[in-house]
Amino acid sequence: AQKITQTQPGMFVQEKEAVTLDCTYDTSDQSYGLFWYKQPSSGEMIFLIYQGSYDEQNATEGRYSLNFQKARKSANLVISASQLGDSAMYFCAMRDFTWGRDDKIIFGKGTRLHILP
Amino acid sequence: NAGVTQTPKFRVLKTGQSMTLLCAQDMNHEYMYWYRQDPGMGLRLIHYSVGEGTTAKGEVPDGYNVSRLKKQNFLLGLESAAPSQTSVYFCASRKGLGQDTQYFGPGTRLTVL
Repeated sequence: AQKITQTQPGMFVQEKEAVTLDCTYDTSDQSYGLFWYKQPSSGEMIFLIYQGSYDEQNATEGRYSLNFQKARKSANLVISASQLGDSAMYFCAMRDFTWGRDDKIIFGKGTRLHILP
Repeated sequence: NAGVTQTPKFRVLKTGQSMTLLCAQDMNHEYMYWYRQDPGMGLRLIHYSVGEGTTAKGEVPDGYNVSRLKKQNFLLGLESAAPSQTSVYFCASRKGLGQDTQYFGPGTRLTVL
């Protein structure tokens, strides 16, 4: 069965430092996608970055990058030069693209990130 | 272009009452989803739909029903609310073209007393 594990329930990071949020996943399928979402205190879910299982390059979106290590089944989110506005809950998620499979997206339990001034 | 909207934003029910949550999207997306979010549990999929007139069960479907009579709307029903259904409910949609992203609504905070 598919599973997403985020082992860091909470993190405190000094402003302007880089931060890595861990995500490991478990799937027996070859074709899948990995997502990261941000949920600030206001509650909305904001899409940050996507990585496909066949993408050879690590995905980047501005200050966000995804450190994809397929053999280790990890998809860590890296935020460079953290800002106070980065304080939020972060969710890692995975969807299986195998044809004929149920279209379900599995979420991890999240990591709450606190940026300190 | 409003994206994904949810109605209502807040609701308080008594045990045994029924209600319907409405999700609407104006992006002509094929796929729509209902999730619930509980503290420490992340998001869990309740039901989803891959097109108008279709629905399927997710991880935690018990106690909920859904309907997708129109492509733009996805309704989540609670026939007899229970305190265990106190949660924040999120609707999401996506085009359905493989590697596309889900877009989320703002959420509905439901309390069942």
